[in-house]
Amino acid sequence: DQQVKQNSPSLSVQEGRISILNCDYTNSMFDYFLWYKKYPAEGPTFLISISSIKDKNEDGRFTVFLNKSAKHLSLHIVPSQPGDSAVYFCAAVSGGGADGLTFGKGTHLIIQP
Amino acid sequence: GAVVSQHPSRVICKSGTSVKIECRSLDFQATTMFWYRQFPKQSLMLMATSNEGSKATYEQGVEKDKFLINHASLTLSTLTVTSAHPEDSSFYICSASSTSGGNQPQHFGDGTRLSIL
Repeated sequence: DQQVKQNSPSLSVQEGRISILNCDYTNSMFDYFLWYKKYPAEGPTFLISISSIKDKNEDGRFTVFLNKSAKHLSLHIVPSQPGDSAVYFCAAVSGGGADGLTFGKGTHLIIQP
Repeated sequence: GAVVSQHPSRVICKSGTSVKIECRSLDFQATTMFWYRQFPKQSLMLMATSNEGSKATYEQGVEKDKFLINHASLTLSTLTVTSAHPEDSSFYICSASSTSGGNQPQHFGDGTRLSIL
């Protein structure tokens, strides 16, 4: 049973617009959430994270929102740029981040010019 | 930023061969490193947690005698796939986080594509 779900395998967004990637989780013990970006033939690169004690974390063009009651988080990228085209993985962990991550299957974001 | 180096990036070998994959943290010390595996169209799945100076902790369903993990120093962990068979063909990737404590994101290597003929 998948504990972290990314229900959209792919997402296409026009350059300059907002990209919203969604992630749902089922394990209420998760207390730290991360987004990773992955280009082909490379490992995932850390993008942004959020602790369960917060509902929003912003870093430049990237904002992550956490809705604990709905067990849902989202990554907003604005404005979207061509270099943002990649696979985005949502990951979650319990125990403050000291354990292995549980990943979603990823969403392939395509930024169209 | 933090860098994790993984080697080799790709291995093609015959069934029955043992394959060693190295994972190094280049600019930070990592008490703990993690090994993941990804099958096609699946998510990254945690295989084991590698602890410096002690035995690795394996996830349910992962054979510890088949996937040998050695974490000899704060910057190096190795995964050896012993007597590999075609069903072991997968993408293996390691990660590490700094020992400085608190919520620290894991940083990943570029992965190893293992193909067993």
